[in-house]
Amino acid sequence: DTGVSQNPRHKITKRGQNVTFRCDPISEHNRLYWYRQTLGQGPEFLTYFQNEAQLEKSRLLSDRFSAERPKGSFSTLEIQRTEQGDSAMYLCASTRGFNQPQHFGDGTRLSIL
Amino acid sequence: GQQVMQIPQYQHVQEGEDFTTYCNSSTTLSNIQWYKQRPGGHPVFLIQLVKSGEVKKQKRLTFQFGEAKKNSSLHITATQTTDVGTYFCAAPDDKIIFGKGTRLHILP
Repeated sequence: DTGVSQNPRHKITKRGQNVTFRCDPISEHNRLYWYRQTLGQGPEFLTYFQNEAQLEKSRLLSDRFSAERPKGSFSTLEIQRTEQGDSAMYLCASTRGFNQPQHFGDGTRLSIL
Repeated sequence: GQQVMQIPQYQHVQEGEDFTTYCNSSTTLSNIQWYKQRPGGHPVFLIQLVKSGEVKKQKRLTFQFGEAKKNSSLHITATQTTDVGTYFCAAPDDKIIFGKGTRLHILP
C-alpha cells in the first residue's frame, strides 16, 4: 500500500491559463474522488469515478472543470481558463468501494496570480 | 441535498482538558465517518459508525452514533498536543458529504 499520490504538490499560474492535476490511487481501489478544500472549510465534493466511469459530478463544478480516469487507474483533473476563485487545495481520495473509508493524497495546492 | 453541521467551529482547550465535537444531520444517515486533518496535512480516516446508538473507543477518543442516526459526537479525554487539528464528520452516500469541521487548539 503505497498510498494515494498527487502531482504536482503546488501549482502557481496566471489567471486564464489551463492546469492539469494527476492522482494515482491505491492500486486495488476502484473508486476515486476529487475534492476542493479552501481555508477553514471541509473537503467539497467535485466528482467521483468507479473504475473508468465518472458517476457523479457536483452541480458546483463549472464546465471549465473536467476529469478523466482512463483505464480505471490514475485520474486527471483539468481546469480551463482559471479564475481567482479556483485557488484552493485539490484533494484526491480513493476507496475500495461504496461506504468505505477514504484514503486521501497530500493534495495539489493551486494559486492563481 | 444532504448536509452535516458540526459544532463548535473552533475549540481552545488547556492540555489535559476534555474536548467534544458534535455532528448533526437533517436526514437519517446510513453511517457516519470521522476524519482528522493535522495542520498542513490531509484528512485521515479515524472511524466509521454504522449501528444506531453505537459507541466505539480508540484510546482517549470515544465516538458515538445517535439512536436516530442523525447525530454523532467525538469526545477526547485528557487532550494532548498531538490532538491538534481539525476533526471532520462525513456522511457517506454515493459521494461523501463532509462537515466544515471543528478546529482544536491545545493551550500548553
